Amino acid sequence: GNSVTQMEGPVTLSEEAFLTINCTYTATGYPSLFWYVQYPGEGLQLLLKATKADDKGSNKGFEATYRKETTSFHLEKGSVQVSDSAVYFCALSALGGGFKTIFGAGTRLFVKA
Amino acid sequence: DAMVIQNPRYQVTQFGKPVTLSCSQTLNHNVMYWYQQKSSQAPKLLFHYYDKDFNNEADTPDNFQSRRPNTSFCFLDIRSPGLGDAAMYLCATSGRDYTYQETQYFGPGTRLLVL
Repeated sequence: GNSVTQMEGPVTLSEEAFLTINCTYTATGYPSLFWYVQYPGEGLQLLLKATKADDKGSNKGFEATYRKETTSFHLEKGSVQVSDSAVYFCALSALGGGFKTIFGAGTRLFVKA
Repeated sequence: DAMVIQNPRYQVTQFGKPVTLSCSQTLNHNVMYWYQQKSSQAPKLLFHYYDKDFNNEADTPDNFQSRRPNTSFCFLDIRSPGLGDAAMYLCATSGRDYTYQETQYFGPGTRLLVL
C-alpha cells in the first residue's frame, strides 16, 4: 500500500542554519506530494506541493523536489527563522487511493535564536 | 477569504456526555473530511463525505458519527466520549473529481477535553 516515511524529530537548529527534512514514499502510480506545516495549537497548512516527477514546489523560502527515481520529496530551507518552529508533515495523495491523503509521522522543528 | 472554519476552538465535555463539533467551508468543495490528531502525531482519518456520500474508515469506532446537511457544513458527533477521545479534531476540504488528486485545506481544529 501507499506510505510515507519521514525523518524522526525533533530537529533543533540555530537561526539562519540550513534545514533538510527527509521524506520518502511508496506508492503505486504517480502520486501528488505535499508538505504541510502545523504551528502550535493550529490546524495543518499547505506549505508546498508537487504533482509530477521533477517538479519543484516552493513557498516562504522552503523547497522540495519530486524525485521519482529515489521516491523522495525532501524539504529544504536555506536559512531558518525562529518563526519556522513547527511540526512538518510530508504527505501523498494517489490516484485510486480512495480520496485518502497519506501522512508521514511528522517532524518537529525547533529553531533557537 | 475563502476558508474552513471550525467551532468551537476548544470544547470541554464530560465522560459519556454527547458532544458535537462543527465545520463550515466557503470554498464550495465537494469533499469534506474529519481527522483525529493526538499529540502532534499524524492526523488519523475518521471519515469523509464526497458530496452526500458518506465514507467511513474501517477502524473508526461506532461512537463517532457525522452529518453533512449541505455543501457548506459538516458535523462530528461523539455519542459517548471517553477519556481516550481527548484530541484535536481537524476538518478538511478538497475539491476533487474521480480522476485526480487535490490539495486538502484544513481548518484550525477543535481541541476536545474529556473530564
